[in-house]
Amino acid sequence: DSGVTQTPKHLITATGQRVTLRCSPRSGDLSVYWYQQSLDQGLQFLIQYYNGEERAKGNILERFSAQQFPDLHSELNLSSLELGDSALYFCASSGPGGEQFFGPGTRLTVL
Amino acid sequence: SQELEQSPQSLIVQEGKNLTINCTSSKTLYGLYWYKQKYGEGLIFLMMLQKGGEEKSHEKITAKLDEKKQQSSLHITASQPSHAGIYLCGADKGRGSTLGRLYFGRGTQLTVWP
Repeated sequence: DSGVTQTPKHLITATGQRVTLRCSPRSGDLSVYWYQQSLDQGLQFLIQYYNGEERAKGNILERFSAQQFPDLHSELNLSSLELGDSALYFCASSGPGGEQFFGPGTRLTVL
Repeated sequence: SQELEQSPQSLIVQEGKNLTINCTSSKTLYGLYWYKQKYGEGLIFLMMLQKGGEEKSHEKITAKLDEKKQQSSLHITASQPSHAGIYLCGADKGRGSTLGRLYFGRGTQLTVWP
């Protein structure tokens, strides 16, 4: 158990819909990262937050957005969903040492 | 763009055998991470290497980062079925503001048969 929690574990929705994925980092970690894993693209960095502020952006679509709240939990919002958005979405957190610990992931299926 | 090449793509070994997985980059690696993943599950942190020539071990797994910081190897001694899974190497995009933004190789699928 990495200490990073993600909900829900599975999500099935239809094209055009909007979903929210939630992540709670390890206790004391200020940085939260979101990654997407698919068979096509492998594991790709989406976005990073540090203590509530956006720190870095990767291959994140404009239809996707994220935020980190004062209690440090983070949410990833995916809108206007397409079939190609079906993937595993991971959240990771890190502390001062830099090691990133991953959550169990949310499997998103868009039908 | 920066890429990480992992080899081999898949590996099938008999229990008790030693094995090595490699991760190679064309550019300097500022932080190299090794993770293990069971299919469809989360990534389990194994080790992080930062300095050229650094070597770390945990139980029967040893990871090294070469002096030039462009290649890392993961070595498993006396493999067990519990070692089976997908091994992923990841690296920092760079220093400073991009620190922590990891890019990953495509993984090595390890099967250990009894």
